[in-house]
Amino acid sequence: AQSVAQPEDQVNVAEGNPLTVKCTYSVSGNPYLFWYVQYPNRGLQFLLKYITGDNLVKGSYGFEAEFNKSQTSFHLKKPSALVSDSALYFCASINTNAGKSTFGDGTTLTVKP
Amino acid sequence: DTAVSQTPKYLVTQMGNDKSIKCEQNLGHDTMYWYKQDSKKFLKIMFSYNNKELIINETVPNRFSPKSPDKAHLNLHINSLELGDSAVYFCASSQDQGTLNTGELFFGEGSRLTVL
Repeated sequence: AQSVAQPEDQVNVAEGNPLTVKCTYSVSGNPYLFWYVQYPNRGLQFLLKYITGDNLVKGSYGFEAEFNKSQTSFHLKKPSALVSDSALYFCASINTNAGKSTFGDGTTLTVKP
Repeated sequence: DTAVSQTPKYLVTQMGNDKSIKCEQNLGHDTMYWYKQDSKKFLKIMFSYNNKELIINETVPNRFSPKSPDKAHLNLHINSLELGDSAVYFCASSQDQGTLNTGELFFGEGSRLTVL
């Protein structure tokens, strides 16, 4: 069974400060993990993914994520937050055989000026 | 050009009616999906098709019937609409990576269905 958990419904940070949006996973086999962002009244947009290789994955808009096998985590990070980063963020895992993505419940990020 | 497009964007209808949502992708992807996002923003997969073949069919009422006339199109027809069907429905597509399906999802902009 595949599942991901986003323990925080809401994350608030000040513009210019680093941000972290947390995700933990529980998967059988190799984990394939993704981050997506959803702006209001829009579809989800892909940010980055971990399939294999380096534990630090770089993605769109200056975001990166660190895969940590021992902690079963895949936290999303950005060194300096922008107001325009305010959105809903989803962590997801994929069952590669079935092609089924399972999404976390989402974390609303608010960046204040 | 929009990669994944769905129509209509908004749909308001009465209980008991039948409605359809259409989706088209011009990315050449092999797999297409329907997701439902409820009022709490939770996302759940409903169906997926790979090259016109049904791959995933979650526990969705029989009133929901997907149809894929070709691999670029996946439509969703809903019979006898109920209040609980009100949600935003997202179409998505992905490209298989060899024998594994590890491709990221490309989403449409969503179709907001309101059942009165």
